[in-house]
Amino acid sequence: EIVLTQSPTTTAASPGEKVTITCLASSSVSNMYWYQQKSGASPKLLIYSTSSLASGVPDRFSGSGSGTSYSLTINTMEAEDAATYYCQQWSSNPPTFGAGTKLELK
Amino acid sequence: QVNLQESGPGLVKPSQPLSVTCSVTGYSITTSYYYWNWIRKFPGNKLEWMGYISYDGSIYYNPSLKSRISITRDTSKNQFFLQLNTVTTEDTAVYYCARYTYYFDYWGQGVMVTVSS
Repeated sequence: EIVLTQSPTTTAASPGEKVTITCLASSSVSNMYWYQQKSGASPKLLIYSTSSLASGVPDRFSGSGSGTSYSLTINTMEAEDAATYYCQQWSSNPPTFGAGTKLELK
Repeated sequence: QVNLQESGPGLVKPSQPLSVTCSVTGYSITTSYYYWNWIRKFPGNKLEWMGYISYDGSIYYNPSLKSRISITRDTSKNQFFLQLNTVTTEDTAVYYCARYTYYFDYWGQGVMVTVSS
């Protein structure tokens, strides 16, 4: 199975700060997906097909990458963005998730 | 509006089977080309995809669980089910059901299942 390695594991950002989360795949994948999970809630789709914004997601979020290296960027951190973020692939069976990046508000 | 709702026991004894139900409203589980999944989140935040049952009833399981897992459905009730056999404390997790087409777009709120004697 494809292992997805996220970094950092934990990070903190001040309001207005730029945040980048990286996801490295153990083998090449065609697309990456990103989910946001807040405490007590279920995961919510943020980015699909590497760089497309899901419905209702603010445009301060963006995704990029190819092959084995992908990233999620929050252009200007807001308090409501404090959450855990997961990357996910289904280019190869079984689908797998990264271990998550916890983003805290500084 | 699509809604998924898990239900199940909060506590299961080791070696017993774990059973969770996902009730879907607002969308038929037989609609092409959607896949109905079970995903769990362990303490410590790791997410593991467990398996799916598709719109046409085909099934695919995570090979790591293949010998213990069963996913079935009742189309008349628009529900699908997870059974995980011979559980251990390592199966303690929040169990989610989720719809998939090109991504996991709708999730249930999750049900916490603790395996303990």
